[in-house]
Amino acid sequence: NAGVTQTPKFQVLKTGQSMTLQCAQDMNHEYMSWYRQDPGMGLRLIHYSVGAGITDQGEVPNGYNVSRSTTEDFPLRLLSAAPSQTSVYFCASSYWGPGYGYTFGSGTRLTVV
Amino acid sequence: AQKITQTQPGMFVQEKEAVTLDCTYDTSDPSYGLFWYKQPSSGEMIFLIYQGSYDQQNATEGRYSLNFQKARKSANLVISASQLGDSAMYFCAMRGTGNQFYFGTGTSLTVIP
Repeated sequence: NAGVTQTPKFQVLKTGQSMTLQCAQDMNHEYMSWYRQDPGMGLRLIHYSVGAGITDQGEVPNGYNVSRSTTEDFPLRLLSAAPSQTSVYFCASSYWGPGYGYTFGSGTRLTVV
Repeated sequence: AQKITQTQPGMFVQEKEAVTLDCTYDTSDPSYGLFWYKQPSSGEMIFLIYQGSYDQQNATEGRYSLNFQKARKSANLVISASQLGDSAMYFCAMRGTGNQFYFGTGTSLTVIP
């Protein structure tokens, strides 16, 4: 059981470049999310999805797009990278309901220069 | 409003001693889950323990226990017999019936040999 697979683990981008962070889970979880983690800021929700074809914005959605064409995949697109998007990004998934916690991916450390 | 508060930015504990990491929460949901995650310096987020709002007994998982005081809205993590490998960042989280997760800002624990 692979759990949540996030790629790449590390990435350096130039300002203005675009890229996609990949996230895939094999646990048939309905709920998937993307977070960014910055020093002293904890985890901040970027976008989330409650099922295939359904996405919604979180706390800090600007500059990011998501789609959920399948239950398994939830890619995060950076449209035009900015230095303020330098962060560690986590994908997480879970079943629906307050009794279920997240399974996290291993994270992507992104640097925008 | 849903909120998780961790008031201890940093904690120190002597090896083999017990330590309590504080977490208070605010919610009006009748049903909710409380979670603790560990983030070692390697960066991954590791699930430690879960407590349901209707659970009568405090959750335990090995050396981890959750001191759940519903009336006080607190969900403190107790780590017994601390080990050097327990040095990490610890996050408290809550999930209500709206299915969104709410994370605290974390507590950095350092175990002193």
